[in-house]
Amino acid sequence: QSVLTQPPSVSAAPGQRVTISCSGSSSNIENNYVSWYQRLPGTAPKLLIYDNNKRPSGIPDRFSGSKSGTSATLGITGLQTGDEADYFCGTWDSSLSAYVVFGGGTKLTVL
Amino acid sequence: QITLKESGPTLVKPTQTLTLTCSFSGFSLSTSGVGVGWIRQPPGKALEWLALIYWDDDKRYSPFLKSRLTVTWDTSKNQVVLTMTNMSPVDTATYYCARLSQGSVADFDYWGLGTLVTVSS
Repeated sequence: QSVLTQPPSVSAAPGQRVTISCSGSSSNIENNYVSWYQRLPGTAPKLLIYDNNKRPSGIPDRFSGSKSGTSATLGITGLQTGDEADYFCGTWDSSLSAYVVFGGGTKLTVL
Repeated sequence: QITLKESGPTLVKPTQTLTLTCSFSGFSLSTSGVGVGWIRQPPGKALEWLALIYWDDDKRYSPFLKSRLTVTWDTSKNQVVLTMTNMSPVDTATYYCARLSQGSVADFDYWGLGTLVTVSS
């Protein structure tokens, strides 16, 4: 069971918009930056979003991140079949045993 | 171009010690604010962070596995080595190494492809 909770799967049609949620607590999401990763089949995970809503160079603006309280959200607009992948969130947990935590991952299916 | 690649045994026996090597290029672990982390994912389960080593040789470990983990840095070879003792079948997973983004606490901006380690007698 992950410290951060994500839906196991989401789906949408090409061209549509989808959101993926990541729920945590005051010891992690609420008081630390959230990052989002994409893992396409057979490839290394890729950093999509950092510091809640910033995109690394080369990441299209179809991908966006937001945070409110103990939850974070990844948004993807203009869905493409190439977006079909696993997405997972991550952050720092600053409880007594400080450590990096990840969500369980969400499988995005583009119908 | 920044790359990382994990290497090590694909099969280990229960109670054995696992040693994995992360060979990286395109950046220096001596650069202030940079780190290399280890993350694993058991089949069908979530990612689990294991360890981090920083540019100043500071090390952090998962509180749940701390007693079994050691991470070291071979400066002459641009390699980071993870050892995990007393392996058991529940440690079967794909093990990744990743670069901690400069100045970040938990952003991993480059990852290796991962290596699958199976624990079985």
